[in-house]
Amino acid sequence: AQKVTQAQTEISVVEKEDVTLDCVYETRDTTYYLFWYKQPPSGELVFLIRRNSFDEQNEISGRYSWNFQKSTSSFNFTITASQVVDSAVYFCALKRDTGRRALTFGSGTRLQVQP
Amino acid sequence: DSGVTQTPKHLITATGQRVTLRCSPRSGDLSVYWYQQSLDQGLQFLIQYYNGEERAKGNILERFSAQQFPDLHSELNLSSLELGDSALYFCASSADEFANTGELFFGEGSRLTVL
Repeated sequence: AQKVTQAQTEISVVEKEDVTLDCVYETRDTTYYLFWYKQPPSGELVFLIRRNSFDEQNEISGRYSWNFQKSTSSFNFTITASQVVDSAVYFCALKRDTGRRALTFGSGTRLQVQP
Repeated sequence: DSGVTQTPKHLITATGQRVTLRCSPRSGDLSVYWYQQSLDQGLQFLIQYYNGEERAKGNILERFSAQQFPDLHSELNLSSLELGDSALYFCASSADEFANTGELFFGEGSRLTVL
């Protein structure tokens, strides 16, 4: 069975602080995909990143960076110099490459960035 | 704007009633997914259609059904509604059947309140 755990229910930081959102996953598959989505207060789900299981290179996109470590089954997301607009719920998700391939989401981490 | 359109945005109804949620995928996308987001269950996969055919089923109740029409829009039918069905229902689309080569694009969701 597949499982995604986001142990941090809510995080509150002050603007300009760096913050890391943790994601730990479980799967027996050797090929799979990992995602991060952002859900701002308006409610829609916004795609941030997709990684496949064979690509363990860390990725940086502006203030966002992702650390994928297969050895610890983790796919953590760091926001550098956080801004109020980063306030949202962030979801980590896992997708199989075989069988039923719908996304399995974690429970989400609510990030509040205070001015 | 993801290009996925969901209607209605908000819906309030009573227990025992039946509602239909509609989703128009992004232009050219053949695959449609339905997800339910509730406070206690998080984001749960319900069902997937690809080019008119059911492809995968998740945690979809027997009281719920869906279909994808020849023009690729999809409808999610919820019947004999219960208070616990109150949730945000998301539709997502992807170009290919398994969204392996690209992302899933989510609509803004339909918020259902059952009183």
